Amino acid sequence: ELKVEQNPLFLSMQEGKNYTIYCNYSTTSDRLYWYRQDPGKSLESLFVLLSNGAVKQEGRLMASLDTKARLSTLHITAAVHDLSATYFCAVVDDSWGKLQFGAGTQVVVTP
Amino acid sequence: NAGVTQTPKFQVLKTGQSMTLQCAQDMNHNSMYWYRQDPGMGLRLIYYSASEGTTDKGEVPNGYNVSRLNKREFSLRLESAAPSQTSVYFCASSGMGGVTSYEQYFGPGTRLTVT
Repeated sequence: ELKVEQNPLFLSMQEGKNYTIYCNYSTTSDRLYWYRQDPGKSLESLFVLLSNGAVKQEGRLMASLDTKARLSTLHITAAVHDLSATYFCAVVDDSWGKLQFGAGTQVVVTP
Repeated sequence: NAGVTQTPKFQVLKTGQSMTLQCAQDMNHNSMYWYRQDPGMGLRLIYYSASEGTTDKGEVPNGYNVSRLNKREFSLRLESAAPSQTSVYFCASSGMGGVTSYEQYFGPGTRLTVT
């Protein structure tokens, strides 16, 4: 059974500082997804990582994938309030595209 | 191009009542999914449909039924609602093949309260 673990589950950030969210998974997979969810809203796709060593960047967010270590990281550079949200990673669980989601990391950015 | 739509957005039911949550996508995706989201529990898969005409149980299927009406539509039915089914329900869809295979696109959600 595929398990996806995120840590930390809650992250209080100070504006201007850098932070990292970790996503570990238990079986081999070469596809990993990061989503963002604002309070009361739906999930929005952030990054699709499709191979070992993949790195994607969008603004202050950068995601990377190490399939050998079964680890993805989401790095936040110089946090700003607008990045307050819950971030989920998800890994493909079967050949039909079923995803297994991590529990989510709630991020709160304060001045 | 509306993406994934869900109706209703909000619903309050009494214990024992039944209802159907509707979901439709206009992206020509093969696969569709129903999730529930509860505080502190992340997303849990209820049912999914890998293609038109097929459905499979997910992690928490008890108390729910689904119908894949056609390629566009996937409905979730609560036959006899219970307070434990109070949750936010999300529908999602994904395609196959190509660079963005399996990336799931989510609907806006339905907030259901069962009293």
